[in-house]
Amino acid sequence: DAGVTQSPTHLIKTRGQQVTLRCSPKSGHDTVSWYQQALGQGPQFIFQYYEEEERQRGNFPDRFSGHQFPNYSSELNVNALLLGDSALYLCASSPKRGSWADTQYFGPGTRLTVL
Amino acid sequence: QKEVEQDPGPLSVPEGAIVSLNCTYSNSAFQYFMWYRQYSRKGPELLMYTYSSGNKEDGRFTAQVDKSSKYISLFIRDSQPSDSATYLCAMSAGLTGGGNKLTFGTGTQLKVEL
Repeated sequence: DAGVTQSPTHLIKTRGQQVTLRCSPKSGHDTVSWYQQALGQGPQFIFQYYEEEERQRGNFPDRFSGHQFPNYSSELNVNALLLGDSALYLCASSPKRGSWADTQYFGPGTRLTVL
Repeated sequence: QKEVEQDPGPLSVPEGAIVSLNCTYSNSAFQYFMWYRQYSRKGPELLMYTYSSGNKEDGRFTAQVDKSSKYISLFIRDSQPSDSATYLCAMSAGLTGGGNKLTFGTGTQLKVEL
């Protein structure tokens, strides 16, 4: 049973550039959430997708956008990168319905460094 | 004030000790409580999942939730060096409570020494 996968593992960008991160959810899951984890901090919720629509959003600017595809995989896009965007970006998946709908399983993350 | 408060540590204990990790929260809407373990430079791994108040045990791990005090705990018995990691508490209001986004504490760094 494949868990949550993310790509790439590491990424280095310069200020002002744009980046796309990718996530495939755990088998049987149809909901994908994205989190940003700065060094020494807990993950912060960015947004959640299911049925190919953004359903919830945290306190992140419009530079952060996303997409979900019919196969439930998802992308996170960040435009006009700032130094402060350097972080570990985590994808989590969960089933939309059922007794485990509120349980989220995380991928290994993508470490983004902005120079 | 943060919605979820967690002592960042670091916490250092000898092998075999009982470890107690705690979080407090302020949002009364939270009804789902989770503990994640995160090794350095890895994604969080779900350890325990609890709904509402009460205790839940799984092997060496016990999770406790006291909603009246807005306080949750994770106990690790017979701690091992392999338990050395950062432990994150997380909570949500649930899908029926307005959304299941997770709100995390800052994490407690635990080191179990031989």
